Amino acid sequence: GDSVTQMEGPVTLSEEAFLTINCTYTATGYPSLFWYVQYPGEGLQLLLKATKADDKGSNKGFEATYRKETTSFHLEKGSVQVSDSAVYFCALRSGAGSYQLTFGKGTKLSVIP
Amino acid sequence: DAGVTQSPTHLIKTRGQQVTLRCSPKSGHDTVSWYQQALGQGPQFIFQYYEEEERQRGNFPDRFSGHQFPNYSSELNVNALLLGDSALYLCASSSPLAASLTYEQYFGPGTRLTVT
Repeated sequence: GDSVTQMEGPVTLSEEAFLTINCTYTATGYPSLFWYVQYPGEGLQLLLKATKADDKGSNKGFEATYRKETTSFHLEKGSVQVSDSAVYFCALRSGAGSYQLTFGKGTKLSVIP
Repeated sequence: DAGVTQSPTHLIKTRGQQVTLRCSPKSGHDTVSWYQQALGQGPQFIFQYYEEEERQRGNFPDRFSGHQFPNYSSELNVNALLLGDSALYLCASSSPLAASLTYEQYFGPGTRLTVT
């Protein structure tokens, strides 16, 4: 079945540091890939997405590239801010005919001033 | 424009009881999905409702059931509650266009269910 594996947290970085959160997946067909962010006390918000191989999703300084050859979708940001502190989830939708999102376990990021 | 709303915010129930959670989708959305998020875990898909019918179901027992109303709002019902049902229950809505293209789902803040 479909699965998503994320690097385990928590991750603690200083402000302006470079961020990478690794995500790999197993899926049938050609999945769409997503990164969601969950701020304390809030629901999940879509951060970025990619729907086919080699697509790059980007938003708010975050980027992730859909790598079919390595089945990966790593999240990166060049300079994190305190306001980026949250839990980040990698997710996939396995393709046409499937309506569910399959999530990883999440990676908690804390950014300190 | 109101986003996805859920009620109640928090709920405490006793083992064996039944519970109903409610969700109103974002304006313009007609599809509602429910997810269970245990502490420290990612959300797990329970089921999705479209046109008042269950369109797809995840790996959850029949104790979990749902309903969608003509105004697209939805309920999640859980019978015979177990301690392991304690979790954050998330509702997500999407529009027909999103479902066919990028499949963007909008999540509500969730209902925190505690079973004692």
